[in-house]
Amino acid sequence: AQSVTQLDSQVPVFEEAPVELRCNYSSSVSVYLFWYVQYPNQGLQLLLKYLSGSTLVESINGFEAEFNKSQTSFHLRKPSVHISDTAEYFCAVSDIRDDKIIFGKGTRLHILP
Amino acid sequence: DGGITQSPKYLFRKEGQNVTLSCEQNLNHDAMYWYRQDPGQGLRLIYYSQIVNDFQKGDIAEGYSVSREKKESFPLTVTSAQKNPTAFYLCASSISLGGGVRGEQFFGPGTRLTVL
Repeated sequence: AQSVTQLDSQVPVFEEAPVELRCNYSSSVSVYLFWYVQYPNQGLQLLLKYLSGSTLVESINGFEAEFNKSQTSFHLRKPSVHISDTAEYFCAVSDIRDDKIIFGKGTRLHILP
Repeated sequence: DGGITQSPKYLFRKEGQNVTLSCEQNLNHDAMYWYRQDPGQGLRLIYYSQIVNDFQKGDIAEGYSVSREKKESFPLTVTSAQKNPTAFYLCASSISLGGGVRGEQFFGPGTRLTVL
């Protein structure tokens, strides 16, 4: 069975500083990996995804994530955060055989002025 | 514009009452899902459906019921049997079940249910 672990429930970071949100997964087969973002009182929006190919994937708003198969990780990074990045971020995993996507418990990103 | 709508945004219910949450999509997606979100617990799958007139239980189906009479609609009923119904409920859809590009899920704005 698959599982997703987001190691930090909350991450405070100063504006314009870099940030890394950690995600580890477990699966016995090849996986697809996703990061979703949820702004307050809204639904989730897909931020980026890894399906195959290049292990480094990027979003349009400066986030990137790297698939590391040996460490079973898919950490999300941004070199310089803005106040508008304040949100909750969810890592998710699925495999081609399964009929569900498994979500982590989320990491709340707090941007400090 | 294509998307998923959920109504109402806020819903209040007295203990012992059933309540139905609406979810409609015009993305022509086959698969639809209902999640419950509680603080610090992430998303937990309640029910999902791949085709009309068929649906499967998720991880926390007890106290909930669904129907899928139309491809674009997947209403969720929270029954009086649900012990702790106060939560944020999210509906999602995807082209098909499973992972990869076809399994990417699109979410509605959510309904916040409060039991008084």
